[in-house]
This record gives sequence, structure tokens and C-alpha cells, in this order.
Amino acid sequence: KQEVTQIPAALSVPEGENLVLNCSFTDSAIYNLQWFRQDPGKGLTSLLLIQSSQREQTSGRLNASLDKSSGRSTLYIAASQPGDSATYLCAVPGNQFYFGTGTSLTVIP
Amino acid sequence: NAGVTQTPKFQVLKTGQSMTLQCAQDMNHEYMSWYRQDPGMGLRLIHYSVGAGITDQGEVPNGYNVSRSTTEDFPLRLLSAAPSQTSVYFCASSYAPDGQETQYFGPGTRLLVL
Repeated sequence: KQEVTQIPAALSVPEGENLVLNCSFTDSAIYNLQWFRQDPGKGLTSLLLIQSSQREQTSGRLNASLDKSSGRSTLYIAASQPGDSATYLCAVPGNQFYFGTGTSLTVIP
Repeated sequence: NAGVTQTPKFQVLKTGQSMTLQCAQDMNHEYMSWYRQDPGMGLRLIHYSVGAGITDQGEVPNGYNVSRSTTEDFPLRLLSAAPSQTSVYFCASSYAPDGQETQYFGPGTRLLVL
């Protein structure tokens, strides 16, 4: 069974800082990896989908990398803003979709 | 284009009661799924469907039933609610199964079973 781990569970940074969120998975035979954002009391919004053949995917201030061989992905957020405060989850597909438990990010103005 | 919609947003049930959580999507997605989200456990798959008339079990199917009579709708039925089913339930849809395409999530239904 695929297991997805996200570290740290919570992160608090001052506005303007660059930060990295980590995601690791145990089975490297994946189609892709997806990063989601979840605001309190809301559903999940897809941020980035990085295919297994790609090493990076960028959207605005977000950059996701994927290293299948080591079972790791990182989400880099540049110049963080208070509006970035949310929980970030990574997920990998397999027989089903496997989610990490998320990193709760707080950006302090 | 409403995306994925879920009703109700919040529900309180007594142990033993039954209810149906509604999910609908207007994107003509074949793949739909139900997850529950519990603190410290992430999202876990309950049931999924790869098209009208086809459903299958996920990781935690016990106590839940589903059916898929149309492409648009995928209701989740709780047969006899238990306190262990207190959770937030999310419906999701995508063009393809197995995570080959982006999944779109509904806003969730918060369920409290007393």
C-alpha cells in the first residue's frame, strides 16, 4: 500500500519568506503527483499536477519538483503572502488516490 | 459551470438514522469518488465510480452504499449512522481514473452523529 508523508505538519513563517513543503511516498511507480490547497472549512483546490516524466512544474509563485527514484516531491512557495495561509496536501494515484495528512501553513503579516 | 456540488453542507444525525449525501458535477466527468477526512488521518477513499452503472469499494467502504445511475450524480448513503461516521465528506470527480487527470473537489459535507 502506498504511504504518503508530509513534513512538517505545521509551519509558521513571516510574510515575504520563501518556503519549502515536503512530501514523500513509498511506491515510486506513480503516474503523477498532485499538490492541493485546502482552506479552513473548504474543499480541496488543485494547485499543480506534475507528471512522472517531468521533474518540475510551475504556476506563478509555486514550483513543484518530483524525484520518483527517491520518492520525494517538494512544493516551493516564493515570497509568501498572508493569503497563502492554508493546508497543503500532496496526493499520488495508484489503485486509489493516496493523500498525505498535509502541512498547515500560516504566513504572518 | 458549477463544478462539483454537495448537499447538505452540514448535518446532525442520531445513531441508527439513515441519510443520503448528494454529489453532482456538470463537467461530464466519468470518474467520481467519495472521501472522508478525519483529523490526523488525511483523506480516505470510501467508494468510487468509473462511469454510470459502475461502482467499487475504496479503503473504508463499511457502512456506506453508493449507486451511479447518471454521469452527473453520485449519492452516498449511510445505512445506519454510527458516531464513528462523524467526519467531513468530500466528493471528487475527474476525466480519468487512477489520478491521470486533475481531481476536482466539492466543498464538503460536515456530518455529526450523536
